Amino acid sequence: GAVVSQHPSRVICKSGTSVKIECRSLDFQATTMFWYRQFPKQSLMLMATSNEGSKATYEQGVEKDKFLINHASLTLSTLTVTSAHPEDSSFYICSARSGGAGELFFGEGSRLTVL
Amino acid sequence: AQSVAQPEDQVNVAEGNPLTVKCTYSVSGNPYLFWYVQYPNRGLQFLLKYITGDNLVKGSYGFEAEFNKSQTSFHLKKPSALVSDSALYFCAVRDRGGATNKLIFGTGTLLAVQP
Repeated sequence: GAVVSQHPSRVICKSGTSVKIECRSLDFQATTMFWYRQFPKQSLMLMATSNEGSKATYEQGVEKDKFLINHASLTLSTLTVTSAHPEDSSFYICSARSGGAGELFFGEGSRLTVL
Repeated sequence: AQSVAQPEDQVNVAEGNPLTVKCTYSVSGNPYLFWYVQYPNRGLQFLLKYITGDNLVKGSYGFEAEFNKSQTSFHLKKPSALVSDSALYFCAVRDRGGATNKLIFGTGTLLAVQP
């Protein structure tokens, strides 16, 4: 199957700093990528849909200015958590679809811990 | 609105016994249905999907699922469980007639296979 790479896998930062997470489709082009957030022992919550060359579409309740998404190319989307706070600590997972009706392929996730 | 229900938080089964992880869905039109597996601190791995055709879908690692339109279900099954199957399983749905490509996940079911 298609490969999605996510980096970093773990990051620890101080409160008030910003953190960038990268999501790359390694062997296919993805016009659309999705960012999810997962709390311990809970399901995945869709945060936003990242569209190449245009603005991301955010889900209700997700702060656009807090979670900046940039989809600069067909193989790269980035999520920046700005002015991070301890409550932003979570597991963030990106995904991409290689075809129209196909399954999503997921990155390995990024564990963010804000001290 | 589309939704997915996984009624069991946890399923326990002895190694070698058959397993079933339940999933029901609700969409306005015809669905695309998926099963994913997640190991601790990892991203999601695709298991199988139903798009069209035969209601019985075979996937990775010996798993299969049956699409039942009348019961709006897509239960995951395996004839003989392995200890290594222990993980968190997610059912997901996408409305094929929907305006977005969003994949909505169930709350997940933790499968515990005892030796």
